[in-house]
Amino acid sequence: GAVVSQHPSWVICKSGTSVKIECRSLDFQATTMFWYRQFPKQSLMLMATSNEGSKATYEQGVEKDKFLINHASLTLSTLTVTSAHPEDSSFYICSARQGGERRETQYFGPGTRLLVL
Amino acid sequence: AQRVTQPEKLLSVFKGAPVELKCNYSYSGSPELFWYVQYSRQRLQLLLRHISRESIKGFTADLNKGETSFHLKKPFAQEEDSAMYYCALHAYYGGATNKLIFGTGTLLAVQP
Repeated sequence: GAVVSQHPSWVICKSGTSVKIECRSLDFQATTMFWYRQFPKQSLMLMATSNEGSKATYEQGVEKDKFLINHASLTLSTLTVTSAHPEDSSFYICSARQGGERRETQYFGPGTRLLVL
Repeated sequence: AQRVTQPEKLLSVFKGAPVELKCNYSYSGSPELFWYVQYSRQRLQLLLRHISRESIKGFTADLNKGETSFHLKKPFAQEEDSAMYYCALHAYYGGATNKLIFGTGTLLAVQP
């Protein structure tokens, strides 16, 4: 099946710094990728939809200036957490969509664990 | 509003017992539903989708539009089935704005 990678798998940073997380579709092209956030023992919460060549679509309550998304190519989307604070510590998961309108499947990355000190 | 409800946070069964993970949805259109599974220390992966009407690893799920349910079933649980199971609804808004809406998940623990 299709493979999605994320880098880094974990990151620890100081409060106030910015962190970039990469999401790559390794063996298929993805015009649409998604960024989720998962708190311990909770479900995935969609943060934003990343569209290649256009602006991301953010879910209600997600600050677009805080979580910058760039989908510069058909295989790469990046999420930058700007001026990170301890409350941004979480597990961030991306997925990439493959397939047509009604037969699409999302393939998930392994996640990136962010700890802000 | 689109919503997916998984009423059980934890389901504990013994090996060989039947399993039913409940999922109810709320959606105004024609729903497309999925079950995703996340094994310990692994990524989320698709288990099955209702339009495929298939059985994966012994699991089946039938869409019941009258009860707005998509329960996941397996007649005989195995220890390797222990994982977090998420029910998800594909919400169509057209084109690039389509998205998955996840339930809160049910942790299945199969005891020997």
